[in-house]
Amino acid sequence: GAGVSQSPRYKVTKRGQDVALRCDPISGHVSLYWYRQALGQGPEFLTYFNYEAQQDKSGLPNDRFSAERPEGSISTLTIQRTEQRDSAMYRCASSARTARVEKLFFGSGTQLSVL
Amino acid sequence: QKEVEQDPGPLSVPEGAIVSLNCTYSNSAFQYFMWYRQYSRKGPELLMYTYSSGNKEDGRFTAQVDKSSKYISLFIRDSQPSDSATYLCAMSGSSASKIIFGSGTRLSIRP
Repeated sequence: GAGVSQSPRYKVTKRGQDVALRCDPISGHVSLYWYRQALGQGPEFLTYFNYEAQQDKSGLPNDRFSAERPEGSISTLTIQRTEQRDSAMYRCASSARTARVEKLFFGSGTQLSVL
Repeated sequence: QKEVEQDPGPLSVPEGAIVSLNCTYSNSAFQYFMWYRQYSRKGPELLMYTYSSGNKEDGRFTAQVDKSSKYISLFIRDSQPSDSATYLCAMSGSSASKIIFGSGTRLSIRP
């Protein structure tokens, strides 16, 4: 498909387990963003990349969260030692950055539930 | 204090009404202002954007930015039931910086 692809669509895990969420951006898109969205809330910025370089990780809640995009395409958001408060929709977005204003294309998200 | 504040609603108006949605912000470095629309169980989609202050019109939608007041608005004319969604304002300081979203306003248009 031509859109942003995220996997898995749903992830249920036990507290204390590590999880890895994957994002496959639109081909050729330079920028890749990770957001977390609680029900009824707007997307909360976590981190973003230009190509493989992580430009800003100020939104990552703590050091249990990390992200990488080693080849400037697919990205992985990893949460170590998950806690119940990590339960949320995790959304990835990519942008071509060819225009002055970035148009973000969002994926369908990964719904994470920590039991 | 959040960088971007948005009234969560919900806002319910009859079909054909003019809708006004608003956000305020605290970071004077913001220069790019966007409105995203999010339907239930979907990802947000870009609706409109403006750079710096001023107005922008696109069909039934008008976006306004008042940087002196740190206040942005989205107006929807002749609202339709299909406009029922959550509307998110978003902002960034430059074309190369992070994009911050408001909490969203849930809008319902009654037939």
